[in-house]
Amino acid sequence: QQQVKQSPQSLIVQKGGISIINCAYENTAFDYFPWYQQFPGKGPALLIAIRPDVSEKKEGRFTISFNKSAKQFSLHIMDSQPGDSATYFCAASKRGGADGLTFGKGTHLIIQP
Amino acid sequence: KAGVTQTPRYLIKTRGQQVTLSCSPISGHRSVSWYQQTPGQGLQFLFEYFSETQRNKGNFPGRFSGRQFSNSRSEMNVSTLELGDSALYLCASSLGVNQPQHFGDGTRLSIL
Repeated sequence: QQQVKQSPQSLIVQKGGISIINCAYENTAFDYFPWYQQFPGKGPALLIAIRPDVSEKKEGRFTISFNKSAKQFSLHIMDSQPGDSATYFCAASKRGGADGLTFGKGTHLIIQP
Repeated sequence: KAGVTQTPRYLIKTRGQQVTLSCSPISGHRSVSWYQQTPGQGLQFLFEYFSETQRNKGNFPGRFSGRQFSNSRSEMNVSTLELGDSALYLCASSLGVNQPQHFGDGTRLSIL
C-alpha cells in the first residue's frame, strides 16, 4: 500500500516558470512533511518541511502548500532554473518517528533553458 | 560542519556473502536512520537507532541488521546477500525524534 502518492512522475518546465509537484497521503497519523532534492550520485538533500498546523511555508523560491482536510501537499518552485533539474521526493512521518520517513516515488524535473 | 559520511561508496559482493556498511552522522546528531533506495521500490525505511538502541524498524527481513556505537556512528549489516539486495543504501542523521533528517551520499551495493 503506497501511503504517499506523488505526481507527476516527470515534469518539464521552461526556465523562469513555476514547477509544481503534488503529493497525497492516506495516514492521518502523519504530522511532518519534508521535501527532498536528489541529484545523480548524491543523497537526498532536505529542501523544506512543513507541519500540519500551517497551510503554507516559503523559503526562497520554494513554497510548500498544505491542505490538511484533503490530505494533500505540494511543492512550488518559483522562477525555475536549470540548476533545479533533479529528482524531488515528498515524504511524511508520524509523531514519534515510528516507521521512519515514508517517501513518494519521486518526480524527475527538467528545467529547459 | 561536516555532513553525514558513508563508507564505502561502492561495494560489489556475490550472493550468499555478507556485508557491513558504515555511517558517521553529523556531529551532535544522536539519531541515525537507514534507508534502501531502488528504482522499483523507491526509498524504503530500514531502521532507526538512537542512543545505541534500535527505536524503529521497517518491513525488512532479519538478514538486515544494524547497530549504533556510543559516538553515534552506525553500521548496517546484511547477511546471506541476494540479488535483490542490490541498491543504494542511505544513512540519515538527525538531532532526535521528528527532527529534520540529513542524508549521506550512500553506499552503492551491487550483488553478482
